[in-house]
Order: sequence, then structure tokens, then C-alpha cells
Amino acid sequence: EDQVTQSPEALRLQEGESSSLNCSYTVSGLRGLFWYRQDPGKGPEFLFTLYSAGEEKEKERLKATLTKKESFLHITAPKPEDSATYLCAVLGIGGGSNYKLTFGKGTLLTVNP
Amino acid sequence: KAGVTQTPRYLIKTRGQQVTLSCSPISGHRSVSWYQQTPGQGLQFLFEYFSETQRNKGNFPGRFSGRQFSNSRSEMNVSTLELGDSALYLCASSGGSADTQYFGPGTRLTVL
Repeated sequence: EDQVTQSPEALRLQEGESSSLNCSYTVSGLRGLFWYRQDPGKGPEFLFTLYSAGEEKEKERLKATLTKKESFLHITAPKPEDSATYLCAVLGIGGGSNYKLTFGKGTLLTVNP
Repeated sequence: KAGVTQTPRYLIKTRGQQVTLSCSPISGHRSVSWYQQTPGQGLQFLFEYFSETQRNKGNFPGRFSGRQFSNSRSEMNVSTLELGDSALYLCASSGGSADTQYFGPGTRLTVL
């Protein structure tokens, strides 16, 4: 069965203090690794898809990278509006015959002004 | 392009009742997946429908069921509600099973 572990569970940063979130995974037949952002009471908002080891994607202050066993979400000079829960998910076969998205439990990021 | 919509946004039910949630996917998307999100378990996969057929199912009891219509709209039904069914139910749509999923705002279900 596919598994995703995110760390840390919670992270508190000062505005401008860069850091990284980790997502380690085990998956059968990886089709893609996804990062989402979720604000309280809302649905997850898509950020990035990574397909193969070595791939990198950037969007504003966020940069996602992928290795064969883990992915990192780097946040450069964060602002208070970056505060949210960041979710990592893998799309794999998971022992079945159809693709399924398996999520980690997320990292709650708080950025203080 | 309009996003994924879910109705209703909030529901309060009592134990033993049943509930139906609705999801309208992004125009052109044929795959609809449903998830349950709780603080303790995170996001858990319920099932996926593609072209009116259930293609994948998570580890939930038979009280949880769904269907998809010819216009790709989907409904999820939970029968004989239990207190533990209180959660945010999320619907996501994609062009195909292996494509990026886009989520709706969710339906917050509270079971009393």
C-alpha cells in the first residue's frame, strides 16, 4: 500500500525566514507527486505536480523538488499569507489495478509578521 | 473556467439518518473522486468514478456509496449515519485517473 509521511507536523516561521517541508513516500508505480495548499475550511488548492526524480518546479516563493524517496517544498522569504496547511500526495497503483491519490497528513505552516 | 462545485456546503444530521452530497466537476473532466477529511486521519480516499463507472474504492464500509451521471456530475450517499462520519467531504475532478485532481470547497457534515 502507498504511504506518505510529511514532516514536520507544524512549523512556525518569522516573515522572511526561509525553510523546507519534507514529504517521504513509498509507492507502487509512481505516476506523479503533488503538492497542495489548504486554508482552514476550504478545499485543497493545487500547487505542483512532479513526475520524475530530479524535477523541480517553482511558483512565487515556493519551489518543489523530487528524489526517488522524498520531495521537498522550499519556501523562500515567506510572508504571513503563506500560512496554511501544505499537503503532499502520491498517485500510484497502491497494490490495486487503478491509480489512487494517497495523501500525507500535512504540515501546518504559520508565518508570523 | 468554473471550478469544482459542491452542494450543500454545510449539513447537520442525526445518527441513523442518511445524507446525499453532490459534486459538479470542472467542465470537460470525466473523473470524479471523493475524499473524507478528519483532523485525526487526514484526507482518505473514498472512491473514484469515470464515465459513470466506479473505477477505484477505498477502505470504507458499504454505508458509503456513490454514483456518477452522464454529465459527469456525481453524488455520494452515506446511510445510517454515525457520529464518526462527521467530517469535511471533498470532491475532486480530473481529466483522467492519472491526471492532476482539482478540489471543490467541500461539504462540512456534522452528525449529532
